[in-house]
Amino acid sequence: KQEVTQIPAALSVPEGENLVLNCSFTDSAIYNLQWFRQDPGKGLTSLLLIQSSQREQTSGRLNASLDKSSGRSTLYIAASQPGDSATYLCAVKGGSNYKLTFGKGTLLTVNP
Amino acid sequence: DVKVTQSSRYLVKRTGEKVFLECVQDMDHENMFWYRQDPGLGLRLIYFSYDVKMKEKGDIPEGYSVSREKKERFSLILESASTNQTSMYLCASSLDYPFHEQFFGPGTRLTVL
Repeated sequence: KQEVTQIPAALSVPEGENLVLNCSFTDSAIYNLQWFRQDPGKGLTSLLLIQSSQREQTSGRLNASLDKSSGRSTLYIAASQPGDSATYLCAVKGGSNYKLTFGKGTLLTVNP
Repeated sequence: DVKVTQSSRYLVKRTGEKVFLECVQDMDHENMFWYRQDPGLGLRLIYFSYDVKMKEKGDIPEGYSVSREKKERFSLILESASTNQTSMYLCASSLDYPFHEQFFGPGTRLTVL
């Protein structure tokens, strides 16, 4: 059974700092990995999708990497801003029904 | 842009009531999903549908049923709501293709009193 772990559970940084969020998964037989952002009381916004054959994806100040063999992904946020404050979730897709398995998220606070 | 909408942002119901949560997507996606999200437990899959009138149980289907009569609409039904079904409910959709991403709706916060 796939398990996804995100460390740390919470992170507080000053504005302008570069930071890394971590995601690990136990079964490397995945189709892809997706990073989401969730604001309090809201739905999930897709940030980046990395296919199993890819090593990284970039969107603006965000860069996500994937090392499938070791079961790890990182989300790098450059020059963090208070507006980046949110919960960040990673999810891996695998299995015969394309099921997404989610981590429990990292709560990021960027202080002005 | 892909749009997934849910019928209500907030809903308050009483124990024993029948509750319908509606989800609509406008991108002709084959797959649709219902999750619930609870503090400390994360997102858990309740049911998903890969075609009209087709459905499969997820990880926690007990106490729920679903209906998909049209491709764009996926309904979650609580036959007799209970207090332990108080939660955030999230709908998602995707193409029936393993490499495609899932898109989520804004969520419905359901409180059962």
